[in-house]
Amino acid sequence: DQQVKQNSPSLSVQEGRISILNCDYTNSMFDYFLWYKKYPAEGPTFLISISSIKDKNEDGRFTVFLNKSAKHLSLHIVPSQPGDSAVYFCAASANNYGQNFVFGPGTRLSVLP
Amino acid sequence: DTGVSQDPRHKITKRGQNVTFRCDPISEHNRLYWYRQTLGQGPEFLTYFQNEAQLEKSRLLSDRFSAERPKGSFSTLEIQRTEQGDSAMYLCASSRLKGARYNEQFFGPGTRLTVL
Repeated sequence: DQQVKQNSPSLSVQEGRISILNCDYTNSMFDYFLWYKKYPAEGPTFLISISSIKDKNEDGRFTVFLNKSAKHLSLHIVPSQPGDSAVYFCAASANNYGQNFVFGPGTRLSVLP
Repeated sequence: DTGVSQDPRHKITKRGQNVTFRCDPISEHNRLYWYRQTLGQGPEFLTYFQNEAQLEKSRLLSDRFSAERPKGSFSTLEIQRTEQGDSAMYLCASSRLKGARYNEQFFGPGTRLTVL
């Protein structure tokens, strides 16, 4: 049973427009969430995080929104750039689970020039 | 470069052989993690160390898998009697305590294992 779900395997967006990547989780004990970006032949790299005490965190073009009641978070990229084309993983952790991360299956984002 | 490094980057082996992978974490990071990633999936947790102590093992880690971090620095992951189902990317990550949490894991490039 997947505790972290990313129901869109892929997403295509035009350069300059907004990309919205979604993530849903089932475990209400999760209290910290991260987004990672992965290029081919490289390991995932950290992008942005959010604690459950917040509902929004912003870093440049990247904003993560958390809706705890819906167990849903989303990553917004504005404006999208061709270099953003990668696989994006949502990950969640719980303080009482050793703070280890559970990853979603990923969404492949393609930003078209 | 002071990031997480893994060796080898690629490994092709025949079914039944043993393989060993190495991970060198970022030097000041006391936590080290091993993950497995298969096509179309996110990284799946295998095990982690805090310094030299192995604190948790996933059910995915069968008795053919063993991991060590003898001096609390580099770690090795050994798979004995490899099976075709072991073919995957094996990722290593490390992290350190920031405040009260190990918030961010830094990943290495991975070792891609192919079992023929």
